[in-house]
Amino acid sequence: GAVVSQHPSRVICKSGTSVKIECRSLDFQATTMFWYRQFPKQSLMLMATSNEGSKATYEQGVEKDKFLINHASLTLSTLTVTSAHPEDSSFYICSARVLAGSDEQFFGPGTRLTVL
Amino acid sequence: QKEVEQNSGPLSVPEGAIASLNCTYSDRGSQSFFWYRQYSGKSPELIMFIYSNGDKEDGRFTAQLNKASQYVSLLIRDSQPSDSATYLCAVSRPTDSWGKLQFGAGTQVVVTP
Repeated sequence: GAVVSQHPSRVICKSGTSVKIECRSLDFQATTMFWYRQFPKQSLMLMATSNEGSKATYEQGVEKDKFLINHASLTLSTLTVTSAHPEDSSFYICSARVLAGSDEQFFGPGTRLTVL
Repeated sequence: QKEVEQNSGPLSVPEGAIASLNCTYSDRGSQSFFWYRQYSGKSPELIMFIYSNGDKEDGRFTAQLNKASQYVSLLIRDSQPSDSATYLCAVSRPTDSWGKLQFGAGTQVVVTP
C-alpha cells in the first residue's frame, strides 16, 4: 500500500516552455500532498503543500505564479513549472500524507527536469 | 541553528558492522520522527518512524528517540553494501496542521565489503 506515482520521470524542455508534472496516489486517497525540489547533493526543499479542493500554500521564497499547483482530486496533484529556465533544472519529488492525523509521507519516484 | 541537523558524512562502515546515525532537532514541540533512505538519483523511502521516547526495532534497524535531549538516532545492524545510501532524518513541525516535515541534510553511509 501507500504507492505514489509521478509522471513523467524525466523531461527535457526548452527555456521558456511550461512543464506539467503529475503526482498520483494509487491505492489511497491523499487529502494532502507535498512538492519538494532537490538540487544535486543537497537536501529536500519543500516548495508547497497541496490540499484537495483548496489553494496550495507555498513556502517562503517559492513563486506561486511560476510553480502552479492544482490538487483537483483526492488522488491527483499537478505541478506546472511555467516559463522554465535552466536554473529550474532539478529533481522534483511529490509526497502524499496517507492519513489525516498521521505525519507519515510516502514519496513518488521523482521527476528529473532539465531545461535547456 | 538549523531545525534538523545531521552529520553529512560520509560514514564509512565495514560490512557486518553497526552503522550509527544521529540527528538533533531544535523544536521541543515536535512529536513525530522519521528516517528515510535515499539512494543516489532516487526519491526517499520511509524506513522507520518513532513517536515515543525509547527504542523501536524493525528488522536490522533500530530508531532511538530522546525528546528531553532532542535527538533521534538510527542504528543499522549487520550493515550490507546495499545499505549504502543517504539517510534523511525528518521531524514534524508542531505548529503546522498539514503534516509538514522538516528534513535534515542527510548522512551519507558507505558500507565497504
